[in-house]
Amino acid sequence: DIQMTQSPSSLSASVGDRVTITCRASQSISSYLNWYQQKPGKAPKLLICATSSLQSGVSSRFSGSGSGTDFTLTISSLQPEDFATYYCQQSYSTPFTFGQGTKLEIK
Amino acid sequence: QVQLQESGPGLVKPSETLSLTCTVSGGSVSSAGYYWSWIRQPPGERLEYIGYIYYSGSTNYNPSLKSRVTMSVDTSRNQISLKLSSVTAADTAVYYCARVQDTDDAFDIWGQGTMVTVSS
Repeated sequence: DIQMTQSPSSLSASVGDRVTITCRASQSISSYLNWYQQKPGKAPKLLICATSSLQSGVSSRFSGSGSGTDFTLTISSLQPEDFATYYCQQSYSTPFTFGQGTKLEIK
Repeated sequence: QVQLQESGPGLVKPSETLSLTCTVSGGSVSSAGYYWSWIRQPPGERLEYIGYIYYSGSTNYNPSLKSRVTMSVDTSRNQISLKLSSVTAADTAVYYCARVQDTDDAFDIWGQGTMVTVSS
């Protein structure tokens, strides 16, 4: 299985901050990397697929980049509704696997 | 728009079989370009892929669960189902069904999830 590791596991930031979350794969996954946002008690929501393709309706504050084994999710200017847990997921090969999550908290 | 709703018992006894159904509304399980998946999340842990199924019935299961998992699709009822046999406390989790985009294998629509507890 491909192991996905996110850093940091938790992060404190303020409204308006620029935030970057990193995801590393245990082997090359080309650009088959997706990002999700999950709020407490809710299902995950797809934000970005194929490394950098923003889902319809998702704010342009969110952007993704990377290739191979190293990927990033950037939120350009944090808004109150962005405080949540973020997961990366590789879709290069089955079994699809997720990172352990990055919990973004208000400072 | 397409919505997914999981249903099934919230409590299952150890060694028994967990059975869940996902009902698709606002769209069809036979829609081209998509397939259907089950994912679970134990309390406080990361998401875990269980497997997927195409409307044709073709399946892919996580090897870690393969010996215990069965997925099926009922196109007449617009439903997919999950059975997980010989459950233990380690199978306690929120279970989600999700639609998967064929182009990039991303889970683009999720059900709200259903909590299943394995306990006697």
